[in-house]
Amino acid sequence: DAAVTQKPRYLIKMKGQEAEMKCIPEKGHTAVFWYQQKQSKELKFLIYFQNQQPLDQIDMVKERFSAVCPSSSLCSLGIRTCEAEDSALYLCSSSPGGTQNTLYFGAGTRLSVL
Amino acid sequence: QQKVQQSPESLIVPEGGMASLNCTSSDRNVDYFWWYRQHSGKSPKMLMSIFSNGEKEEGRFTVHLNKASLHTSLHIRDSQPSDSALYLCAASGGTGNTGKLIFGLGTTLQVQP
Repeated sequence: DAAVTQKPRYLIKMKGQEAEMKCIPEKGHTAVFWYQQKQSKELKFLIYFQNQQPLDQIDMVKERFSAVCPSSSLCSLGIRTCEAEDSALYLCSSSPGGTQNTLYFGAGTRLSVL
Repeated sequence: QQKVQQSPESLIVPEGGMASLNCTSSDRNVDYFWWYRQHSGKSPKMLMSIFSNGEKEEGRFTVHLNKASLHTSLHIRDSQPSDSALYLCAASGGTGNTGKLIFGLGTTLQVQP
């Protein structure tokens, strides 16, 4: 199984605070995807990196999030000002790249905004 | 509107029974389908993928794809309590396909001993 590492596993923030979570993709994987999952159901696509460059993201990420991959072995997803609706499981996934490659998911960071 | 629709929302089958899950994409650009399984408190793990019309079997799991109708189905025979999980269908495709997966809302399967 591919190993995608996410830290921290749990994050508690007050409304208005900044949050940051990190992801170490599987070694050799060039594509990194972040998803948000609420209430253990739908995975909502947030942002996609290819070779550390952001190539696709939803409007919410452009407006309130900060996401970077400063190296091939580290990516981070930040929320500039947390809101209650941001409470969710944030899942990082990586793949070797390409359209038929499987995405491998990390264990996720569970964010609670109080 | 969800681009990937799954049914049923939840399903209960007896141990040893057959579970059938459905998934349809409303996006004509979709080329590829995946089925992921997510146990409670765990991350999603890829179960099966299918890219061509027809059927694919791996052990107790069989997946079908009809590209004309953009419909895929997952069938689990001899269901076990350990199969109880959220099953997520995902699709990708189209011009400029990045490999990004669009997920459905999932089907929660419960296998009763």
